[in-house]
Amino acid sequence: AQSVTQLDSQVPVFEEAPVELRCNYSSSVSVYLFWYVQYPNQGLQLLLKYLSGSTLVKGINGFEAEFNKSQTSFHLRKPSVHISDTAEYFCAVSEFDGNKLVFGAGTILRVKS
Amino acid sequence: KAGVTQTPRYLIKTRGQQVTLSCSPISGHRSVSWYQQTPGQGLQFLFEYFSETQRNKGNFPGRFSGRQFSNSRSEMNVSTLELGDSALYLCASSLEWGANTEAFFGQGTRLTVV
Repeated sequence: AQSVTQLDSQVPVFEEAPVELRCNYSSSVSVYLFWYVQYPNQGLQLLLKYLSGSTLVKGINGFEAEFNKSQTSFHLRKPSVHISDTAEYFCAVSEFDGNKLVFGAGTILRVKS
Repeated sequence: KAGVTQTPRYLIKTRGQQVTLSCSPISGHRSVSWYQQTPGQGLQFLFEYFSETQRNKGNFPGRFSGRQFSNSRSEMNVSTLELGDSALYLCASSLEWGANTEAFFGQGTRLTVV
């Protein structure tokens, strides 16, 4: 069975500083990997996804993530954060099993001025 | 084009009642998935539908059910509501059935059971 571990429940960071949100997954088969963002009282918005090919994936709003198969990780990074990036971020995996997503517990990114 | 529409946005029900939530997917999308989000359990998969057929089901009791209509709109029903069913219920639509198709989420229905 798949599982996703987001290693930090909260990450405080100052505006314009770099940030990394960590995600590790467990699966017995190949997976697709996703990062979603959720703003208060909103649904989820896709930031980026890894399906195959290049292990460095670029997404919206300046975010990128690197797939590391040997470490079963898919960490999300941004070189310079803004106040508007304050939100909760979810890592998710999907096996070749329809559209079912298994989510991590989420990481709250708090950007301080 | 219009996004995923979930109705109602907010709902308050009494323990023991039943509730029906509605999801209209993006036009042309044929797959709909449902998730429950709670502070304690996080985001959990409920079920997914494609072409009016349930393709996958999460680990929830039989009180949780759903269906999909020929126009791809979906409803989920929860019977005999319990306090623990209070949650944000999210619907996601995808173009096709397959893990490499992007899921677009609605804003959710916040259900409060009192």
